[in-house]
Amino acid sequence: DADVTQTPRNRITKTGKRIMLECSQTKGHDRMYWYRQDPGLGLRLIYYSFDVKDINKGEISDGYSVSRQAQAKFSLSLESAIPNQTALYFCATSDFRTGTTGELFFGEGSRLTVL
Amino acid sequence: KNQVEQSPQSLIILEGKNCTLQCNYTVSPFSNLRWYKQDTGRGPVSLTIMTFSENTKSNGRYTATLDADTKQSSLHITASQLSDSASYICVVSEKGSDYQLIWGAGTKLIIKP
Repeated sequence: DADVTQTPRNRITKTGKRIMLECSQTKGHDRMYWYRQDPGLGLRLIYYSFDVKDINKGEISDGYSVSRQAQAKFSLSLESAIPNQTALYFCATSDFRTGTTGELFFGEGSRLTVL
Repeated sequence: KNQVEQSPQSLIILEGKNCTLQCNYTVSPFSNLRWYKQDTGRGPVSLTIMTFSENTKSNGRYTATLDADTKQSSLHITASQLSDSASYICVVSEKGSDYQLIWGAGTKLIIKP
């Protein structure tokens, strides 16, 4: 089984719908992240969480919200999806003990299409 | 503005050949530079992480170099294999922030038999 699991892997929805992407990890890491990847662009950070009670906005948080239900679970929500949120979304984890050189471990990605 | 530029955008080589991918960055202050491999439809996987004091770092057939003075890095792949077909992404970390990573757009490498 994958260490970082994302569900769903693919989702097609309509404009205005609420969507939740879920991420769970078995690595025991305290830090979790949500990234967005668009063709021709680098990954962009949406939200990050250093522990259950510490959630922070990344560079493109508008239109998104998150919930850290437990150390191992971090969900990303689109309250009212719009077409320009069509993208590939990645969850990642890292271990705080590795500090600034901490390796990121990514899930397999969730491809979201908003019509 | 902090940026990471990679070249070429895409590259096609024959199996068994070597290749070098380039990364230029303007991130300051610099903390570390990472190279990731991303297979199509999969999440990125770390290849190397290099700090300011490291000039060269190898991971099997992958060798990364870093010139912090010129703010350039390269990833050299030796004796390429079909499984090396992927996107290779250069990522630079800003000093003082252990979450703010500046991602390049990647180089798409295709290995032909």
